[in-house]
Amino acid sequence: DAGVIQSPRHEVTEMGQEVTLRCKPISGHDYLFWYRQTMMRGLELLIYFNNNVPIDDSGMPEDRFSAKMPNASFSTLKIQPSEPRDSAVYFCASSLGTGSQYFGPGTRLLVL
Amino acid sequence: GENVEQHPSTLSVQEGDSAVIKCTYSDSASNYFPWYKQELGKRPQLIIDIRSNVGEKKDQRIAVTLNKTAKHFSLHITETQPEDSAVYFCAGRKGSNYKLTFGKGTLLTVNP
Repeated sequence: DAGVIQSPRHEVTEMGQEVTLRCKPISGHDYLFWYRQTMMRGLELLIYFNNNVPIDDSGMPEDRFSAKMPNASFSTLKIQPSEPRDSAVYFCASSLGTGSQYFGPGTRLLVL
Repeated sequence: GENVEQHPSTLSVQEGDSAVIKCTYSDSASNYFPWYKQELGKRPQLIIDIRSNVGEKKDQRIAVTLNKTAKHFSLHITETQPEDSAVYFCAGRKGSNYKLTFGKGTLLTVNP
């Protein structure tokens, strides 16, 4: 059974460019979470969805960040325009109801 | 919102010794407490979790204890092995909200 899938695994871009991160949750899971991990701030929840509907986006740092979940098997996190301070590892995780959250391998983003 | 504090930030033990990592939480409504292990460059992986209706849970060499009155929970690893070396994160969650709030992590080093 495949776990959470994320792409790309690594992304290097220049300041001002648009970045799109992708996630496929575990089949059957109804919750999807986007996290950001940095040395300074640790693991932070950005936004989470339930049945494709955004429930809490209070962790999204600013309007440059947006997330969508057009169907149960796909979600995107977009940064436009990107800035060097957005450099981090972005994780997607999914869960079934109140069950355990399972993380994807992450996307390591570097904005130059 | 919930605040989770984790101690110590680093822990070094000799192979075969026990390791204990402690976390405190602020919101008495929190009722689910998972622990994740993250190896360098990898995803956080769930290793054990506990719900507020249970005081202790054990899985082979790993155990978690919960003190609801004091609002703290601990991870215990016995007979440590070099492959236990990693960063360990605790987290807390309220039943009414699916957001996990993570501690800052503990870097555990097991010396052979």
